[in-house]
Amino acid sequence: DSGVTQTPKHLITATGQRVTLRCSPRSGDLSVYWYQQSLDQGLQFLIQYYNGEERAKGNILERFSAQQFPDLHSELNLSSLELGDSALYFCASSPTTGASSYNEQFFGPGTRLTVL
Amino acid sequence: GDSVTQMEGPVTLSEEAFLTINCTYTATGYPSLFWYVQYPGEGLQLLLKATKADDKGSNKGFEATYRKETTSFHLEKGSVQVSDSAVYFCALRSTNFGNEKLTFGTGTRLTIIP
Repeated sequence: DSGVTQTPKHLITATGQRVTLRCSPRSGDLSVYWYQQSLDQGLQFLIQYYNGEERAKGNILERFSAQQFPDLHSELNLSSLELGDSALYFCASSPTTGASSYNEQFFGPGTRLTVL
Repeated sequence: GDSVTQMEGPVTLSEEAFLTINCTYTATGYPSLFWYVQYPGEGLQLLLKATKADDKGSNKGFEATYRKETTSFHLEKGSVQVSDSAVYFCALRSTNFGNEKLTFGTGTRLTIIP
Protein backbone atom coordinates (compact mmCIF):
# COMPACT_ATOMS: atom_id res chain seq x y z
CA ASP A 1 0.00 0.00 0.00
CA SER A 2 1.58 3.26 -1.20
CA GLY A 3 -0.57 5.50 1.01
CA VAL A 4 -2.10 7.22 -2.02
CA THR A 5 -5.83 6.65 -2.38
CA GLN A 6 -7.98 7.13 -5.43
CA THR A 7 -11.74 7.02 -5.85
CA PRO A 8 -13.68 5.62 -7.48
CA LYS A 9 -11.91 2.43 -8.51
CA HIS A 10 -14.08 1.98 -11.58
CA LEU A 11 -16.22 4.43 -13.49
CA ILE A 12 -18.49 3.67 -16.42
CA THR A 13 -20.14 6.52 -18.23
CA ALA A 14 -21.40 7.63 -21.62
CA THR A 15 -19.92 9.85 -24.28
CA GLY A 16 -20.48 13.55 -23.68
CA GLN A 17 -20.65 13.17 -19.91
CA ARG A 18 -18.44 14.72 -17.23
CA VAL A 19 -16.71 12.86 -14.40
CA THR A 20 -14.52 13.73 -11.45
CA LEU A 21 -11.68 11.54 -10.22
CA ARG A 22 -10.38 12.06 -6.72
CA CYS A 23 -6.93 11.53 -5.24
CA SER A 24 -5.67 11.77 -1.67
CA PRO A 25 -1.87 11.95 -1.47
CA ARG A 26 0.28 10.36 1.19
CA SER A 27 0.22 12.22 4.46
CA GLY A 28 2.50 15.24 4.21
CA ASP A 29 3.13 15.02 0.47
CA LEU A 30 2.71 18.40 -1.21
CA SER A 31 3.04 17.38 -4.85
CA VAL A 32 0.37 15.52 -6.79
CA TYR A 33 0.76 14.20 -10.32
CA TRP A 34 -1.84 12.78 -12.69
CA TYR A 35 -1.02 10.19 -15.36
CA GLN A 36 -3.12 8.47 -17.99
CA GLN A 37 -2.48 4.87 -19.03
CA SER A 38 -4.11 3.82 -22.29
CA LEU A 39 -3.46 0.98 -24.70
CA ASP A 40 -2.45 3.22 -27.58
CA GLN A 41 -0.59 6.02 -25.74
CA GLY A 42 0.97 4.11 -22.86
CA LEU A 43 1.62 5.97 -19.61
CA GLN A 44 1.54 9.73 -20.09
CA PHE A 45 1.94 12.61 -17.68
CA LEU A 46 -1.05 14.94 -17.55
CA ILE A 47 -0.49 17.58 -14.89
CA GLN A 48 1.27 18.32 -11.60
CA TYR A 49 0.17 20.40 -8.63
CA TYR A 50 2.33 21.55 -5.79
CA ASN A 51 0.77 22.87 -2.59
CA GLY A 52 -2.35 24.01 -4.40
CA GLU A 53 -0.69 25.57 -7.42
CA GLU A 54 -0.36 24.14 -10.92
CA ARG A 55 3.32 23.38 -11.49
CA ALA A 56 3.64 21.56 -14.80
CA LYS A 57 1.42 20.48 -17.66
CA GLY A 58 1.86 17.57 -19.99
CA ASN A 59 -0.36 16.16 -22.69
CA ILE A 60 -3.58 17.20 -21.02
CA LEU A 61 -6.57 17.93 -23.23
CA GLU A 62 -8.47 21.20 -22.87
CA ARG A 63 -11.54 19.16 -21.91
CA PHE A 64 -9.63 18.00 -18.82
CA SER A 65 -8.85 20.11 -15.79
CA ALA A 66 -7.51 19.53 -12.31
CA GLN A 67 -7.14 21.26 -9.00
CA GLN A 68 -5.54 20.70 -5.64
CA PHE A 69 -7.41 21.77 -2.54
CA PRO A 70 -6.12 23.26 0.74
CA ASP A 71 -6.19 19.81 2.36
CA LEU A 72 -3.91 18.70 -0.54
CA HIS A 73 -6.32 16.25 -2.11
CA SER A 74 -6.70 16.63 -5.85
CA GLU A 75 -9.46 16.17 -8.39
CA LEU A 76 -9.21 15.53 -12.10
CA ASN A 77 -12.24 16.65 -14.06
CA LEU A 78 -12.90 15.13 -17.46
CA SER A 79 -15.68 16.61 -19.58
CA SER A 80 -17.31 16.03 -22.96
CA LEU A 81 -16.04 12.49 -22.70
CA GLU A 82 -15.13 10.55 -25.83
CA LEU A 83 -14.58 6.84 -26.37
CA GLY A 84 -10.85 7.47 -26.58
CA ASP A 85 -10.78 8.81 -23.03
CA SER A 86 -11.27 5.28 -21.72
CA ALA A 87 -8.12 4.59 -19.74
CA LEU A 88 -6.61 3.98 -16.34
CA TYR A 89 -5.93 7.27 -14.55
CA PHE A 90 -3.23 7.26 -11.91
CA CYS A 91 -2.45 9.77 -9.25
CA ALA A 92 0.98 9.96 -7.66
CA SER A 93 2.39 12.04 -4.84
CA SER A 94 5.82 13.07 -3.64
CA PRO A 95 7.02 14.89 -0.52
CA THR A 96 8.10 18.17 -2.00
CA THR A 97 9.27 19.22 -5.39
CA GLY A 98 12.51 19.58 -7.25
CA ALA A 99 14.75 16.92 -8.66
CA SER A 100 16.06 15.61 -5.37
CA SER A 101 16.65 11.90 -5.35
CA TYR A 102 14.39 11.73 -2.30
CA ASN A 103 11.37 12.94 -4.22
CA GLU A 104 10.09 9.58 -5.31
CA GLN A 105 6.62 9.43 -6.71
CA PHE A 106 4.24 7.03 -5.01
CA PHE A 107 1.34 5.82 -7.11
CA GLY A 108 -2.25 5.16 -6.19
CA PRO A 109 -4.16 2.09 -7.45
CA GLY A 110 -5.78 4.06 -10.28
CA THR A 111 -9.29 4.76 -11.51
CA ARG A 112 -10.41 2.76 -14.52
CA LEU A 113 -12.65 4.91 -16.70
CA THR A 114 -14.80 3.29 -19.36
CA VAL A 115 -16.66 5.53 -21.78
CA LEU A 116 -19.46 3.80 -23.68
CA GLY B 1 12.33 15.94 -25.49
CA ASP B 2 12.92 13.13 -23.05
CA SER B 3 12.10 9.62 -24.17
CA VAL B 4 12.49 6.03 -23.00
CA THR B 5 12.76 3.06 -25.32
CA GLN B 6 11.99 -0.27 -23.79
CA MET B 7 12.32 -3.83 -24.96
CA GLU B 8 9.14 -4.98 -26.65
CA GLY B 9 7.21 -7.76 -25.00
CA PRO B 10 5.69 -9.95 -24.09
CA VAL B 11 8.47 -11.97 -22.55
CA THR B 12 7.85 -15.53 -21.38
CA LEU B 13 10.45 -17.38 -19.32
CA SER B 14 10.65 -20.54 -17.30
CA GLU B 15 11.07 -20.34 -13.55
CA GLU B 16 14.71 -19.85 -12.48
CA ALA B 17 15.71 -18.44 -15.88
CA PHE B 18 17.85 -15.31 -16.20
CA LEU B 19 15.97 -12.13 -17.04
CA THR B 20 17.09 -9.06 -18.97
CA ILE B 21 14.74 -6.28 -20.03
CA ASN B 22 16.49 -3.62 -22.08
CA CYS B 23 15.92 0.08 -21.56
CA THR B 24 17.61 3.04 -23.23
CA TYR B 25 16.83 6.71 -22.81
CA THR B 26 17.24 10.12 -24.39
CA ALA B 27 17.41 13.11 -22.11
CA THR B 28 19.35 16.28 -21.53
CA GLY B 29 21.46 16.58 -18.44
CA TYR B 30 21.58 13.84 -15.86
CA PRO B 31 18.16 12.32 -15.32
CA SER B 32 17.20 9.93 -12.55
CA LEU B 33 16.21 6.49 -13.77
CA PHE B 34 13.61 4.11 -12.39
CA TRP B 35 12.03 0.72 -12.87
CA TYR B 36 8.40 0.41 -11.85
CA VAL B 37 6.39 -2.81 -11.70
CA GLN B 38 2.65 -3.21 -12.18
CA TYR B 39 1.04 -6.41 -10.93
CA PRO B 40 -2.33 -7.41 -12.38
CA GLY B 41 -5.09 -5.09 -11.21
CA GLU B 42 -2.74 -2.91 -9.18
CA GLY B 43 -1.01 0.44 -9.44
CA LEU B 44 2.64 1.10 -10.11
CA GLN B 45 5.23 0.20 -7.51
CA LEU B 46 8.76 1.51 -7.52
CA LEU B 47 11.10 -1.45 -7.97
CA LEU B 48 14.46 0.30 -8.01
CA LYS B 49 16.14 3.55 -8.94
CA ALA B 50 19.47 5.16 -9.76
CA THR B 51 20.18 8.86 -9.65
CA LYS B 52 23.66 9.21 -11.18
CA ALA B 53 25.98 7.53 -13.61
CA ASP B 54 27.33 4.11 -12.54
CA ASP B 55 24.82 3.85 -9.70
CA LYS B 56 23.34 0.39 -9.33
CA GLY B 57 19.79 0.10 -8.09
CA SER B 58 18.71 -3.19 -6.57
CA ASN B 59 15.65 -4.67 -4.90
CA LYS B 60 14.08 -8.12 -4.52
CA GLY B 61 16.88 -9.71 -6.57
CA PHE B 62 16.47 -7.25 -9.44
CA GLU B 63 19.33 -4.98 -10.48
CA ALA B 64 19.93 -2.19 -12.97
CA THR B 65 23.01 -0.04 -13.56
CA TYR B 66 22.87 3.54 -14.82
CA ARG B 67 25.17 3.59 -17.87
CA LYS B 68 25.61 7.11 -19.15
CA GLU B 69 27.96 6.13 -21.96
CA THR B 70 25.34 3.85 -23.50
CA THR B 71 22.31 5.77 -22.10
CA SER B 72 20.96 2.51 -20.76
CA PHE B 73 19.36 1.12 -17.61
CA HIS B 74 18.75 -2.57 -18.29
CA LEU B 75 16.84 -4.60 -15.71
CA GLU B 76 18.26 -8.00 -14.72
CA LYS B 77 17.43 -10.84 -12.36
CA GLY B 78 19.42 -14.00 -11.98
CA SER B 79 16.58 -16.40 -11.26
CA VAL B 80 12.98 -15.41 -11.86
CA GLN B 81 9.97 -16.75 -9.98
CA VAL B 82 6.33 -17.14 -10.96
CA SER B 83 5.54 -14.24 -8.62
CA ASP B 84 7.64 -11.93 -10.83
CA SER B 85 4.99 -12.09 -13.53
CA ALA B 86 3.95 -8.47 -14.08
CA VAL B 87 4.42 -5.50 -16.40
CA TYR B 88 7.71 -3.65 -15.97
CA PHE B 89 8.16 0.01 -16.87
CA CYS B 90 11.41 1.89 -17.29
CA ALA B 91 11.12 5.61 -16.54
CA LEU B 92 13.20 8.74 -16.23
CA ARG B 93 12.81 11.99 -14.37
CA SER B 94 14.46 15.08 -15.70
CA THR B 95 16.74 17.14 -13.51
CA ASN B 96 15.39 20.35 -15.00
CA PHE B 97 13.92 22.55 -12.34
CA GLY B 98 10.14 22.65 -12.50
CA ASN B 99 9.91 19.51 -14.60
CA GLU B 100 9.59 16.54 -12.29
CA LYS B 101 7.29 14.44 -14.42
CA LEU B 102 8.14 10.82 -15.10
CA THR B 103 8.59 9.79 -18.73
CA PHE B 104 7.79 6.09 -19.17
CA GLY B 105 8.67 3.41 -21.65
CA THR B 106 5.93 1.32 -23.21
CA GLY B 107 6.16 -1.43 -20.61
CA THR B 108 7.23 -5.07 -20.94
CA ARG B 109 4.84 -7.81 -19.92
CA LEU B 110 6.72 -10.66 -18.23
CA THR B 111 5.19 -14.09 -17.72
CA ILE B 112 7.03 -16.78 -15.78
CA ILE B 113 5.89 -20.35 -16.25
CA PRO B 114 6.55 -23.02 -13.63
